[in-house]
Amino acid sequence: AQSVSQHNHHVILSEAASLELGCNYSYGGTVNLFWYVQYPGQHLQLLLKYFSGDPLVKGIKGFEAEFIKSKFSFNLRKPSVQWSDTAEYFCAVSSNDYKLSFGAGTTVTVRA
Amino acid sequence: NAGVTQTPKFQVLKTGQSMTLQCAQDMNHNSMYWYRQDPGMGLRLIYYSASEGTTDKGEVPNGYNVSRLNKREFSLRLESAAPSQTSVYFCASTPVGDIQYFGAGTRLSVL
Repeated sequence: AQSVSQHNHHVILSEAASLELGCNYSYGGTVNLFWYVQYPGQHLQLLLKYFSGDPLVKGIKGFEAEFIKSKFSFNLRKPSVQWSDTAEYFCAVSSNDYKLSFGAGTTVTVRA
Repeated sequence: NAGVTQTPKFQVLKTGQSMTLQCAQDMNHNSMYWYRQDPGMGLRLIYYSASEGTTDKGEVPNGYNVSRLNKREFSLRLESAAPSQTSVYFCASTPVGDIQYFGAGTRLSVL
């Protein structure tokens, strides 16, 4: 089974700052990688996904993530955050059995 | 265009009571999942159903049972609720090998 580690538990930023959230996974085989976001009081929504191809993936709301296979990493980035990006962010990994393993989540607070 | 619908949204139980959480999806997805979300632990898979007629244990199945009633519906049952089952429960569905779509969640408190 895979395990997923998210490096930061809580990140506090000011508007317009850049954001990078770390995600590492432990699984040697082929994986599908996801970042989900949960806005306050809402359910999880997909930000972006990587299945194959270009390791730099662009998602919604200006987010992007880079898959680095040699480092087992899939870090999420946004060049300039907004107050509305305040949310909890989850990295998730699935392999051939299609079950998702989630990281513990990173709470991002953006101060106006 | 409802997507994944969970009922109820909130529930308070006493220790030892039983209840069933309902989940239905209208996207004709093959696979359905039940997760629990606890602070600092992300989402953990309780049970899943890869296709109609099949169910399998996930990471934390103890104290739960599931039924895949048909392709649309996947219910989660707590036979004898315990305080450790206080959590937010999410149902999700997916066509095989693609992203998962989540319901709005059920917030359960067991006193």
